[in-house]
Amino acid sequence: GAVVSQHPSWVICKSGTSVKIECRSLDFQATTMFWYRQFPKQSLMLMATSNEGSKATYEQGVEKDKFLINHASLTLSTLTVTSAHPEDSSFYICSAREPQRGREQYFGPGTRLTVT
Amino acid sequence: KQEVTQIPAALSVPEGENLVLNCSFTDSAIYNLQWFRQDPGKGLTSLLLIQSSQREQTSGRLNASLDKSSGRSTLYIAASQPGDSATYLCAVWDNDMRFGAGTRLTVKP
Repeated sequence: GAVVSQHPSWVICKSGTSVKIECRSLDFQATTMFWYRQFPKQSLMLMATSNEGSKATYEQGVEKDKFLINHASLTLSTLTVTSAHPEDSSFYICSAREPQRGREQYFGPGTRLTVT
Repeated sequence: KQEVTQIPAALSVPEGENLVLNCSFTDSAIYNLQWFRQDPGKGLTSLLLIQSSQREQTSGRLNASLDKSSGRSTLYIAASQPGDSATYLCAVWDNDMRFGAGTRLTVKP
């Protein structure tokens, strides 16, 4: 149990375009989902926390108008990178938490974004 | 703000060696501490979760300890194997989850 999927697993897009990444909890209801970014050989950095049905809370330094997060259902959160630039190329990982399971986060497999 | 540091950043050992990975954190007011494994280009695999009231957890050849008062945790890997080669991440839970930069482990056959 507690499986989280991400789609796509990798994506290549041109500079200036937007790309959407999906995060799904497959066998539980995730009231809270988290989005992380990981640059090569660096650790995961929390970008934002989203609660179902409400606006996401962004970490300091993360542009909310550039990284749009929607958590419209208990099993799906989306991250849209708008007007992507090469510096947005990174590994994006989501995680999900279900209240009944405590504070533990369950991680998705990640999405590799390359902006050319 | 919580800061998590992992030492060493990289480690290369011959197969069969026992090894210790270190993790330190600045704020001892944590809920739990968790060790993950990450293979290149992949997501995270949870290895061990130590609750704040616990001192250690064991799973197979892995043993993780936690000393909240000193802000330290260690991951001990016994009889290392080439399949253990990966990046090992330490993460502490306070209001959020904060990760260290990881230790890249290479176990040579």
